Amino acid sequence: SVLTQAPSASGTPGQRVTISCSGSSSNIGSNTVSWYRHFPGMAPKLLIYMNNQRPSGVPDRFSGSASGTSTSLAISGLQSEDEATYYCAAWDDTLNAWVFGGGTKLTVL
Amino acid sequence: EVQLLESGGGMVQPGGSLRLSCDASGFTFTYFAMTWVRQAPGKGLEWVSGISGSASSTHYADFVKGRFTISRDNSKNTLYLQMNSLRAEDTAVYYCARLLSALVETPGNRFDYWGQGTLVTVSS
Repeated sequence: SVLTQAPSASGTPGQRVTISCSGSSSNIGSNTVSWYRHFPGMAPKLLIYMNNQRPSGVPDRFSGSASGTSTSLAISGLQSEDEATYYCAAWDDTLNAWVFGGGTKLTVL
Repeated sequence: EVQLLESGGGMVQPGGSLRLSCDASGFTFTYFAMTWVRQAPGKGLEWVSGISGSASSTHYADFVKGRFTISRDNSKNTLYLQMNSLRAEDTAVYYCARLLSALVETPGNRFDYWGQGTLVTVSS
């Protein structure tokens, strides 16, 4: 994938976890990032847009940040229902295409 | 309520063709760019193609250029993906997703609504 994510992450209930996404100057370095949560067999859901904005209805447990060519999604007060795969996405000016990270599968222990 | 409903998936032999459709409702279709995103078995999300609200511009991932064609009929609120010369590696669930603005590449854009997906299997 053009955007790089760790394949897995884990945490215990109540904990704060961070999922990172790194790219390059042609994507994260010059365009904003959005984050999506995906449960198997379901439609992906928008969690964060423009690096750190939450759509209405998304709990403030979810937050995003960006710096240079990296971005991250933080989930605080981890809950069992947060167990899913999380993807970052951004427009790439060189490829003239949207690019996704490979996805990070979050396990709640 | 925004709804996106994909159809047209199925099993096809390598080299064959399929046309996917995505019926949209609950919003003014022509105001929004639309895209196709796929997920192969055991793999992550992968952007396939996008089209502007007016259908004046289209974008494709390199791996489908020359084989897939995205189009839309704004009078029917329907998005299409014509897939030709299909390969085994095109096997995936194909999702249609709405982009928040009328152009595919607008700064700050995001996929704000997604359909449930339709499965395409390319196999002999």
